[in-house]
Amino acid sequence: AQKITQTQPGMFVQEKEAVTLDCTYDTSDPSYGLFWYKQPSSGEMIFLIYQGSYDQQNATEGRYSLNFQKARKSANLVISASQLGDSAMYFCAMRATDFNNDMRFGAGTRLTVKP
Amino acid sequence: GAVVSQHPSRVICKSGTSVKIECRSLDFQATTMFWYRQFPKQSLMLMATSNEGSKATYEQGVEKDKFLINHASLTLSTLTVTSAHPEDSSFYICSASGQGAVQPQHFGDGTRLSIL
Repeated sequence: AQKITQTQPGMFVQEKEAVTLDCTYDTSDPSYGLFWYKQPSSGEMIFLIYQGSYDQQNATEGRYSLNFQKARKSANLVISASQLGDSAMYFCAMRATDFNNDMRFGAGTRLTVKP
Repeated sequence: GAVVSQHPSRVICKSGTSVKIECRSLDFQATTMFWYRQFPKQSLMLMATSNEGSKATYEQGVEKDKFLINHASLTLSTLTVTSAHPEDSSFYICSASGQGAVQPQHFGDGTRLSIL
């Protein structure tokens, strides 16, 4: 079965600094995708970044980058130059081809950016 | 990016009422849609997977007769909470994806359901 683990219930970061949100996963499927979503207090789920299991390079999207370490089964999100608007819940998620295409989520990390 | 529209965004109704929530994919054909439930300060829990033209696949512990799902077209799935009670109050959010097993899911903005 798939399992996604986010061990940091809450994180604080100073504005303009970088922060790393941890995510580990477990699957026996060789083909899978890893995703990060941001959920502000208003509730919508905002897609941030995607990493495929066969991708050789770490994914990057603007200030977001994914530190993908396949052997360690980790997919940490790095946010550079934090902004006050980055304060939100962040969810790591995974889809694997063996699991009916559904997406499973970690417990989430609440990030607070301090001015 | 792909747009998923969910309606209504908020519902407040009396106990015993049935509530229908719509999820539409506006610019792509969604062969599969997903319905999640989220309690305060918790993660999203998958309730069911909705496949166009066939019966939904429910997760263990989700009552099929309580949460009716219909996916009549490639752009519309509906979730009906039948005879809702206060314990059904929650945030419900749908998502859709196109072809391809490992593609991002695109989420609606969610429906906050409050049963009095």
